[in-house]
Amino acid sequence: DAGVIQSPRHEVTEMGQEVTLRCKPISGHNSLFWYRQTMMRGLELLIYFNNNVPIDDSGMPEDRFSAKMPNASFSTLKIQPSEPRDSAVYFCASRIRQGVESYNEQFFGPGTRLTVL
Amino acid sequence: SQKIEQNSEALNIQEGKTATLTCNYTNYSPAYLQWYRQDPGRGPVFLLLIRENEKEKRKERLKVTFDTTLKQSLFHITASQPADSATYLCALLGGGGNKLTFGTGTQLKVEL
Repeated sequence: DAGVIQSPRHEVTEMGQEVTLRCKPISGHNSLFWYRQTMMRGLELLIYFNNNVPIDDSGMPEDRFSAKMPNASFSTLKIQPSEPRDSAVYFCASRIRQGVESYNEQFFGPGTRLTVL
Repeated sequence: SQKIEQNSEALNIQEGKTATLTCNYTNYSPAYLQWYRQDPGRGPVFLLLIRENEKEKRKERLKVTFDTTLKQSLFHITASQPADSATYLCALLGGGGNKLTFGTGTQLKVEL
């Protein structure tokens, strides 16, 4: 199993540009999570999906951020327009959700390091 | 407000000793707590899960305790090795729904 795949691994862009981060979850996993990690705020949940449906996007900082999951094997996180304060490492994670509650571990991808100049 | 607190200062210990990391939380009633390890440049990796009705969980050299009265979890690594050097994150199911909230992590350095 290849694990969670994220692309690109590094992204450097200029303020105002659109940024799209991509994630392929582990096959068979039905929950997907987008996190952002910074030194100041740690690992923060932005949004998560169950069976491709967004369940909770309360962590999305602003309308500039949007996420989609068109099918079970692909998700995107878009920032438009990007700002320097968006610089962070963005992680995607997936897990198997069984029933109403799930105690299962999350599997994280390697992350995308975003730098907005 | 809800808080998860882990020691922000790095923990330095000698090889062979037991490392103990702390996770304190306030205004949560978590159904369970998880511990993850994160190496530089990589995503977190799951280590252990402990449920609210469990006091202790072990896995090889790892031991986790969960005290819902004190609102605290302790994470122990016995016979520590330099390869155990990493940042360790605790995570709680809380804040509504099925989402995990992570602490900021504690960096552990095991020296020869």
